Amino acid sequence: DQQVKQNSPSLSVQEGRISILNCDYTNSMFDYFLWYKKYPAEGPTFLISISSIKDKNEDGRFTVFLNKSAKHLSLHIVPSQPGDSAVYFCAASAGRGSTLGRLYFGRGTQLTVWP
Amino acid sequence: ETGVTQSPTHLIKTRGQQVTLRCSSQSGHNTVSWYQQALGQGPQFIFQYYREEENGRGNFPPRFSGLQFPNYSSELNVNALELDDSALYLCASSLDSLYGYTFGSGTRLTVV
Repeated sequence: DQQVKQNSPSLSVQEGRISILNCDYTNSMFDYFLWYKKYPAEGPTFLISISSIKDKNEDGRFTVFLNKSAKHLSLHIVPSQPGDSAVYFCAASAGRGSTLGRLYFGRGTQLTVWP
Repeated sequence: ETGVTQSPTHLIKTRGQQVTLRCSSQSGHNTVSWYQQALGQGPQFIFQYYREEENGRGNFPPRFSGLQFPNYSSELNVNALELDDSALYLCASSLDSLYGYTFGSGTRLTVV
């Protein structure tokens, strides 16, 4: 039962343009959402997160938007750079007091940024 | 500050065998979680240890077991290996918080 879904397995964007990666979830108990970036032969690296009490969080070139009514979040990267080419995972967590740290991951989206 | 280190990086085992994977948490972290990432999938939660006690488990059979030691390093043990256990096994550590979740590079297990 996939509670976090990334329906686009791949995305190709030209350098300097905006990359938009999407993620949907089904569990209304999720209250914290994260994006991780993964390069080959490395573990996932934390990128940015958002709490369910917010609808937007920015960190430099990265912005995450959360639409709770649609159970949808997106990651915007502006401007995209070739070094951003990686697999991006969306993850969610519920009930931090009882299941602290358990993350539910999507299947990932391979982002390719070309010059 | 050292990150999370896992050993070995690659491993090949025969069906029915047992395997132990190891993880050294990032310095100062007291919580460790293990994830299994099959090919083309996202990481799936196996279990989590907090101060040497298991405090959460995903949908994995009992032949997946773990330990956390006083120095907060950890082991994942898998008995009676099956072909479907072939995957990347990721260890992640944190300090009482979801924010500082640091992953290791993983152990690639192949069961033949």
